[in-house]
Amino acid sequence: QVQLVQSGAEVKKPGASVKVSCKASGYTFTSYGISWVRQAPGQGLEWMGWISAYNGNTNYAQKLQGRVTMTTDTSTSTAYMELRSLRSDDTAVYYCARDPHDHPDYWGQGTLVTVSS
Amino acid sequence: DIVMTQTPLSLSVTPGQPASISCKSSQSLLHSDGKTYLYWYLQKPGQSPQLLIYEVSSRFSGVPDRFSGSGSGTDFTLKISRVEAEDVGVYYCMQGIHLLPYTFGQGTKLEIK
Repeated sequence: QVQLVQSGAEVKKPGASVKVSCKASGYTFTSYGISWVRQAPGQGLEWMGWISAYNGNTNYAQKLQGRVTMTTDTSTSTAYMELRSLRSDDTAVYYCARDPHDHPDYWGQGTLVTVSS
Repeated sequence: DIVMTQTPLSLSVTPGQPASISCKSSQSLLHSDGKTYLYWYLQKPGQSPQLLIYEVSSRFSGVPDRFSGSGSGTDFTLKISRVEAEDVGVYYCMQGIHLLPYTFGQGTKLEIK
């Protein structure tokens, strides 16, 4: 069965960086992309970007351009999302999801990132 | 970006009764390839979102047939024929017409009476 297992919760200070991992199993990793979606406390879903696990092509949400980098490691079927220059409004649960390039289908369990001084 | 607008924002339904959620997009979601890139997700309390419906009306693997999707162009509807207790949570529509960026509706919270 398809599974996406994310790394654990993080607490960061403003201005720091965070890197969240997402290990995929149960399917051919390079046949799909990975989307990252975040959810601030009590809020809705916000798409952050997409990466092709096949060739590493990326598309990022305009508001995060310059602060976010998405990568994959095909040897371990793991995707990564790094967000830099963290602010308090980056506090959210971050989800990875398998994505053939038009919609997320299977989602990870989420990683809580708290930004606080 | 395409704006997705859901109504109502909350819904309280007696078990066994039907429920309906509307989603309207600011632009047509019909692509030149003939597909309409409208999706429905359910986020149960404390859980990750789960895909219910893809391309307007196709149920994802394992989704009960009491869930159905319909619509075209800019107007879409998710219907639950007979609400069960396990259906509580927040329902989101999402568009993928321009592939990226995806945009979600605000969410509709379903509660059981």
